[in-house]
Amino acid sequence: RKEVEQDPGPFNVPEGATVAFNCTYSNSASQSFFWYRQDCRKEPKLLMSVYSSGNEDGRFTAQLNRASQYISLLIRDSKLSDSATYLCVVNPQNTGTASKLTFGTGTRLQVTL
Amino acid sequence: NAGVTQTPKFQVLKTGQSMTLQCAQDMNHEYMSWYRQDPGMGLRLIHYSVGAGITDQGEVPNGYNVSRSTTEDFPLRLLSAAPSQTSVYFCASSYLKTGPDHEQYFGPGTRLTVT
Repeated sequence: RKEVEQDPGPFNVPEGATVAFNCTYSNSASQSFFWYRQDCRKEPKLLMSVYSSGNEDGRFTAQLNRASQYISLLIRDSKLSDSATYLCVVNPQNTGTASKLTFGTGTRLQVTL
Repeated sequence: NAGVTQTPKFQVLKTGQSMTLQCAQDMNHEYMSWYRQDPGMGLRLIHYSVGAGITDQGEVPNGYNVSRSTTEDFPLRLLSAAPSQTSVYFCASSYLKTGPDHEQYFGPGTRLTVT
């Protein structure tokens, strides 16, 4: 089983739609969780961290379910500019020092007119 | 701040050639790392460093060497290029302290083709 699994998509949605992605992780001791966004042929960039209580940033909402070991990303009112690949990222360690982030393969989102 | 810079942006090598991919950051980050990204595989960690003079292997270190003589620079050396090393290489840096706000900053990537 992969450490971090995502549905590769693509998710094709019309502008204005709500879309949700899930990501599952295998290491129950994982401590930190993130969503990164990667545009075509560009580097990944942090979209948002995922907090235990869930968190929202504008149209984006991230949730963590430790019992089922998955995180989710909800995008409301999709824009054309949201078209990208969304990477689920898990930090398996909690030693207080930087460790080896584990990346999912990404979910591709295409927002259309 | 320039952030994380990588050179070259593109490179074509013949099998057996060696080369160094350069990475530099100006954010005074202790932690630096190299990833490769292949279709369907996600980003995989090659080597990482938690400070000058300290390096360690990641998930896929074979065929690559690194060194960290300064905080700013973290070059990746391909010893004898193979077609299996055709990939996009990203360098990343971050502060050492981990946690929910532990953001890694990525360079723009180097697209390497080995023929």
